Amino acid sequence: GIQVEQSPPDLILQEGANSTLRCNFSDSVNNLQWFHQNPWGQLINLFYIPSGTKQNGRLSATTVATERYSLLYISSSQTTDSGVYFCAVPIIQGAQKLVFGQGTRLTINP
Amino acid sequence: NAGVMQNPRHLVRRRGQEARLRCSPMKGHSHVYWYRQLPEEGLKFMVYLQKENIIDESGMPKERFSAEFPKEGPSILRIQQVVRGDSAAYFCASSPTTDYEQYFGPGTRLTVT
Repeated sequence: GIQVEQSPPDLILQEGANSTLRCNFSDSVNNLQWFHQNPWGQLINLFYIPSGTKQNGRLSATTVATERYSLLYISSSQTTDSGVYFCAVPIIQGAQKLVFGQGTRLTINP
Repeated sequence: NAGVMQNPRHLVRRRGQEARLRCSPMKGHSHVYWYRQLPEEGLKFMVYLQKENIIDESGMPKERFSAEFPKEGPSILRIQQVVRGDSAAYFCASSPTTDYEQYFGPGTRLTVT
């Protein structure tokens, strides 16, 4: 089955810094989602991005499907950005079950 | 439009008891998925349902776990005779069609004592 790897596993930054999180996947995909799991455990949908680039405020994401990776950019980090960021892809083309990466734990210090 | 709703948010059960977790999908969504997150791990797919049908249960443990999505009412994930290893966060997601973005609920945190 498809493998999903995220890097780095942990990232500690000061407030105001920028960061780039990476998601590599081992096979072709037709969609990809990014999530933020906040310190209370809730999963927040960030992006649904099969390909190309999307932006939402201080966050943006780029997926290069042909090279099997996606990047999540966070600019001007705030302490509320802390938590774990997951990417997820369907296990096979058109299938519904998502395979999640192990996540990147982001800590933003004031 | 309310998001995916799950209840209860927290559930404590003693070993051997039954746990029932409920999920109401977003309005207009007929596809429901359950995922489990063990402590300090990522999420793992358990089961995919449409109204009155289990489409894919390849991630469900073979024993003690069952799921349904009746014609009326929420989807239910049922765990019989819980054991300590069942302690986890259980997330429900929904989508309006296949091959579409999945929206997640807040999760139910099950603790087995």
